[in-house]
Amino acid sequence: AQKVTQAQTEISVVEKEDVTLDCVYETRDTTYYLFWYKQPPSGELVFLIRRNSFDEQNEISGRYSWNFQKSTSSFNFTITASQVVDSAVYFCALSEARNRDDKIIFGKGTRLHILP
Amino acid sequence: DVKVTQSSRYLVKRTGEKVFLECVQDMDHENMFWYRQDPGLGLRLIYFSYDVKMKEKGDIPEGYSVSREKKERFSLILESASTNQTSMYLCASSLTGRWNTEAFFGQGTRLTVV
Repeated sequence: AQKVTQAQTEISVVEKEDVTLDCVYETRDTTYYLFWYKQPPSGELVFLIRRNSFDEQNEISGRYSWNFQKSTSSFNFTITASQVVDSAVYFCALSEARNRDDKIIFGKGTRLHILP
Repeated sequence: DVKVTQSSRYLVKRTGEKVFLECVQDMDHENMFWYRQDPGLGLRLIYFSYDVKMKEKGDIPEGYSVSREKKERFSLILESASTNQTSMYLCASSLTGRWNTEAFFGQGTRLTVV
């Protein structure tokens, strides 16, 4: 069965600090995709990144970076030099290739507070 | 600009009422989803549809039904609203057969049942 665990319920850091959001997943499939979404106070989930199971290369996009490690079934998200606008709920998600229905399973989310 | 639009941002209904939550997408996506978001529980899938008139139960379908008469519209129905259905409801859509494609979300409907 597929499962996504975000063990950190809530994190608070002071602006300009680096912060890492953890994501651990479970799947029996060898082909799958992982996602990160951001949900700002406005409520709408915003897609951040997609990574397939065959690509373990880390990715950097500005202040955001993602570390994918199949050996530990983790897909962690780091924000460098955090800003107040980064305050949001962040969701990690998983989709398995064998699912005909394209279902995406989400973790419970991590609420991030960036303090000025 | 891709768009998923939910008909209401905030809704207050009485216990026992029949409630309709509407969602429209303009991206010609085959898949549409309804999620419920509660503090500490994350996003839980209620129902999804991968084609017109097709629907499948998600993880928490009890107390809900759905309707998909047109490709662009996916409605969530609470047959008899109860206070434990007070929640944030999120609609999403994605392309079919492309399990690696991200889902696009609406702005959410915060439903309060009194």
